[in-house]
Amino acid sequence: QKEVEQNSGPLSVPEGAIASLNCTYSDRGSQSFFWYRQYSGKSPELIMFIYSNGDKEDGRFTAQLNKASQYVSLLIRDSQPSDSATYLCAVTRNTDKLIFGTGTRLQVFP
Amino acid sequence: DAGVIQSPRHEVTEMGQEVTLRCKPISGHNSLFWYRQTMMRGLELLIYFNNNVPIDDSGMPEDRFSAKMPNASFSTLKIQPSEPRDSAVYFCASSSRRRNSNQPQHFGDGTRLSIL
Repeated sequence: QKEVEQNSGPLSVPEGAIASLNCTYSDRGSQSFFWYRQYSGKSPELIMFIYSNGDKEDGRFTAQLNKASQYVSLLIRDSQPSDSATYLCAVTRNTDKLIFGTGTRLQVFP
Repeated sequence: DAGVIQSPRHEVTEMGQEVTLRCKPISGHNSLFWYRQTMMRGLELLIYFNNNVPIDDSGMPEDRFSAKMPNASFSTLKIQPSEPRDSAVYFCASSSRRRNSNQPQHFGDGTRLSIL
């Protein structure tokens, strides 16, 4: 079992819809959770981070964390073609070492 | 604000040559990370430093790879001798380590390395 698992996709959603990206992790001691966006040929870019159970909203993005079920998700409301990218989930214990998933490719079509 | 700066952006060299990748972290950040990204293996942590001290180098593939951080504003990743399987994009990232808190890592633009 991989430490951080994501569906590779592609996840295809129409413009204006909600995109839901999911991530599960195996280490129950994980404390911090991050979502990065990576456009093709570019570097990962931090979108959101979440430490506590529940929801955290930032603009069109909402991160959801459920430590009991060991999953974290990212919702993108009003999806735009410019949101088309690979989304990387990363988790860590109380150390600096991030464990990345392999990413989910999102395609938003007009 | 200046982000993480990596050089060179692209490197093409022949097998057996020495390759040196450079990174300047964000000013004030005290943790620095070297990653490698390939299609097959995704994003892998090679090594990371805290306050210029290597903390975890368990991801370094083999003795051909070495990394240094002589001061808070500069780090190098060296491959000697290089092999075609080292071809990948190498990212440097930095963060501000605080007690009991994981601050987000910010990535440089990466070095695209091709070993012929």
